[in-house]
Amino acid sequence: GENVEQHPSTLSVQEGDSAVIKCTYSDSASNYFPWYKQELGKRPQLIIDIRSNVGEKKDQRIAVTLNKTAKHFSLHITETQPEDSAVYFCAASRDGNNRLAFGKGNQVVVIP
Amino acid sequence: DTGVSQDPRHKITKRGQNVTFRCDPISEHNRLYWYRQTLGQGPEFLTYFQNEAQLEKSRLLSDRFSAERPKGSFSTLEIQRTEQGDSAMYLCASSFRAAGSTDTQYFGPGTRLTVL
Repeated sequence: GENVEQHPSTLSVQEGDSAVIKCTYSDSASNYFPWYKQELGKRPQLIIDIRSNVGEKKDQRIAVTLNKTAKHFSLHITETQPEDSAVYFCAASRDGNNRLAFGKGNQVVVIP
Repeated sequence: DTGVSQDPRHKITKRGQNVTFRCDPISEHNRLYWYRQTLGQGPEFLTYFQNEAQLEKSRLLSDRFSAERPKGSFSTLEIQRTEQGDSAMYLCASSFRAAGSTDTQYFGPGTRLTVL
């Protein structure tokens, strides 16, 4: 099955700086890659997703890039704010297999 | 609130007891998923339904676990003869499956199970 790995496990950034989290996946047939943000004790919330027919997608301060050849995708958060502090999970799935395979998560800490 | 809801939010039980959780998906969503999340890990897929049909089950879902979605709306997840290893957050997600696309899954707040 699909195996998704995330790096680094913990990331500390100064407020206003950028944060980048990278995920790798193993199944070359995967074609859908969402990112979820989970605050302590709360539900995972979808923040952005990308499908394999595009290489980059942006939504305000958040962007995701996809490199299908290398089988990795990254989350970019610019101008970080304290409320960006959370655990971020990447996931992957493919048509015909609707399960999301999640990474272990990255703890992002934004230092005011 | 039009999001996915789950009940109860917390459940404490003794080993060997049976527990049942409920998930109410977003109303127009035809797919419903169950995941399990343990501390420091990402959610792990358990099973999913399209309407009332259970289409896939993970190997993680032992014989003690059963899920239903009788009318294609809400779903229940039952764990029989609970074990301490069942302690986890049980998350439900729902999505709308449109032809030719990969559906986006929206999660509920989860039910935290503690088995003593």
